[in-house]
Amino acid sequence: DVKVTQSSRYLVKRTGEKVFLECVQDMDHENMFWYRQDPGLGLRLIYFSYDVKMKEKGDIPEGYSVSREKKERFSLILESASTNQTSMYLCASSPPIAGSYNEQFFGPGTRLTVL
Amino acid sequence: AQSVTQPDIHITVSEGASLELRCNYSYGATPYLFWYVQSPGQGLQLLLKYFSGDTLVQGIKGFEAEFKRSQSSFNLRKPSVHWSDAAEYFCAVGAQDFQKLVFGTGTRLLVSP
Repeated sequence: DVKVTQSSRYLVKRTGEKVFLECVQDMDHENMFWYRQDPGLGLRLIYFSYDVKMKEKGDIPEGYSVSREKKERFSLILESASTNQTSMYLCASSPPIAGSYNEQFFGPGTRLTVL
Repeated sequence: AQSVTQPDIHITVSEGASLELRCNYSYGATPYLFWYVQSPGQGLQLLLKYFSGDTLVQGIKGFEAEFKRSQSSFNLRKPSVHWSDAAEYFCAVGAQDFQKLVFGTGTRLLVSP
């Protein structure tokens, strides 16, 4: 069974802290994604990666960075957390079938609260 | 740029009644369309997808969706709703960029007894 796991379901941090959100997939997928989900705004893409050490900005990359040192792991980093980064963060992965748009598999999400 | 509109923020349906959730997309070429469901506190699960071929697609949990190119729509339907269907539903379209998806803002379904 395919699986995407995220390191924490709930996380509480203080303003200014450096925050790491970890995502691991066991499906050998090339593509991985980080979204944030806010009420009324749906899912917004923060960053994605289509290969190890490769990354591209999504729609809302400001205040975030990412790291992909191994194929199965994609980390989202908040360099200095702010209260407006309080949100649900979802990780997803998908295989890279060229010329088609493949299903993305989602993790359970991390609900981050920044105080 | 591609976009997805889900015009209904909330919908309440009686248990056993039929359901239709609306989704309209904007995309220049043939779209690749998805419906996902999110139960409270959970990640997203794929209900169904459309790439090509038959415009009526069947999914899991008794859901189906119909692609109508002339209306730029991909509405989700279920003939008889169960209390366990209460969740948030997201429509998504495949983007021009390789492997990205653009999501709608979601429709929250409430099921009344």
